[in-house]
Amino acid sequence: QQQVKQSPQSLIVQKGGISIINCAYENTAFDYFPWYQQFPGKGPALLIAIRPDVSEKKEGRFTISFNKSAKQFSLHIMDSQPGDSATYFCAASYPGNTPLVFGKGTRLSVIA
Amino acid sequence: GAGVSQSPRYKVAKRGQDVALRCDPISGHVSLFWYQQALGQGPEFLTYFQNEAQLDKSGLPSDRFFAERPEGSVSTLKIQRTQQEDSAVYLCASSSPRPVGNEQFFGPGTRLTVL
Repeated sequence: QQQVKQSPQSLIVQKGGISIINCAYENTAFDYFPWYQQFPGKGPALLIAIRPDVSEKKEGRFTISFNKSAKQFSLHIMDSQPGDSATYFCAASYPGNTPLVFGKGTRLSVIA
Repeated sequence: GAGVSQSPRYKVAKRGQDVALRCDPISGHVSLFWYQQALGQGPEFLTYFQNEAQLDKSGLPSDRFFAERPEGSVSTLKIQRTQQEDSAVYLCASSSPRPVGNEQFFGPGTRLTVL
């Protein structure tokens, strides 16, 4: 059973557009929801994260929207740039310093 | 300070060989996690430590996989009698004693290819 489902698998966005990636989770015991960005040959890097007591969090061009009742959360990248082209992973974890459960990833391509 | 480092960055092994992968976490980080990332997939949990204690090894695929962190700092993931299905990127992550949420910092990974 896949605990974190991510969509779409791939996404092409025009420069300056909005990129939207969605995730759904199964376990209501999860209480931490990060998004990671990964470039080829590199390890994942934390972009932004949210806890379930907040419905939205914004950091620069990156926004997480969280819907606790629907068990869904999404990443919005505003004013997408070619340098944002990478693979993005959503994840979830139980309380405390515990292992992350990752989605399968979305490959984003931002074209000029 | 420096981030999480892993060595070697690339490892080619013949089927049946033993390999050892090293992770140097960020200094002072109490928790250390190992993940396996297959090509085109998300990282999958293998095992993790709090200081030298291995708290969960439920993600290790078989008894050929073994991890240790004897002094609560550097960790080694050992794979015995490697098989082709072990080919993947092995990622290490560490987190601070008082994380903001569960903020984990990843190393660059070791790409293992088993021929």
